[in-house]
Amino acid sequence: DAGVTQSPTHLIKTRGQQVTLRCSPKSGHDTVSWYQQALGQGPQFIFQYYEEEERQRGNFPDRFSGHQFPNYSSELNVNALLLGDSALYLCASSLGPGNNQPQHFGDGTRLSIL
Amino acid sequence: GENVEQHPSTLSVQEGDSAVIKCTYSDSASNYFPWYKQELGKGPQLIIDIRSNVGEKKDQRIAVTLNKTAKHFSLHITETQPEDSAVYFCAADSSSNTGKLIFGQGTTLQVKP
Repeated sequence: DAGVTQSPTHLIKTRGQQVTLRCSPKSGHDTVSWYQQALGQGPQFIFQYYEEEERQRGNFPDRFSGHQFPNYSSELNVNALLLGDSALYLCASSLGPGNNQPQHFGDGTRLSIL
Repeated sequence: GENVEQHPSTLSVQEGDSAVIKCTYSDSASNYFPWYKQELGKGPQLIIDIRSNVGEKKDQRIAVTLNKTAKHFSLHITETQPEDSAVYFCAADSSSNTGKLIFGQGTTLQVKP
């Protein structure tokens, strides 16, 4: 039973560039949430995708955007990268979008901005 | 706004002792409270969760208690082992019913052999 997989595992970019991160949910899950985890902090919610639509956005600017595909996989795009975007980006999947649905995380993509 | 406070930030115990981590939340409409364990270089792993219609839940050496009136919940680990050493996060769901989780700041647990 494959868990949540994310790619790439590490990425180095420079300020102003754009990046795309990818996530495949756990088998049987249809909902994907993205979180940003700064060093030494808890994860912060970016947004969630269900039925190929963004359901809710956290306190992140429009530079952060996403997409969900018919096979439930998802992408996170970040434009005009800033030094402060350096973080671990986590994808979590669940069965259904509402509360009370356990979310299972991948191992994340470590993004470093130079 | 939505907030989850977690204490302590670090915890060191001797192998075999118990460890307790406490969290408080601000949104009285929260109904779901998961706990995650994060090891170095890994993503958070769900270890136990509790819903608001239950006051306590246990799974082997791990237990969670919930006090909705006081808006706090706790993780209890008994008979700690060195492999329990990790960062532990509590979380609470958002009242928006979108599956958004609000995380605490984390507790670094060290179990000394």
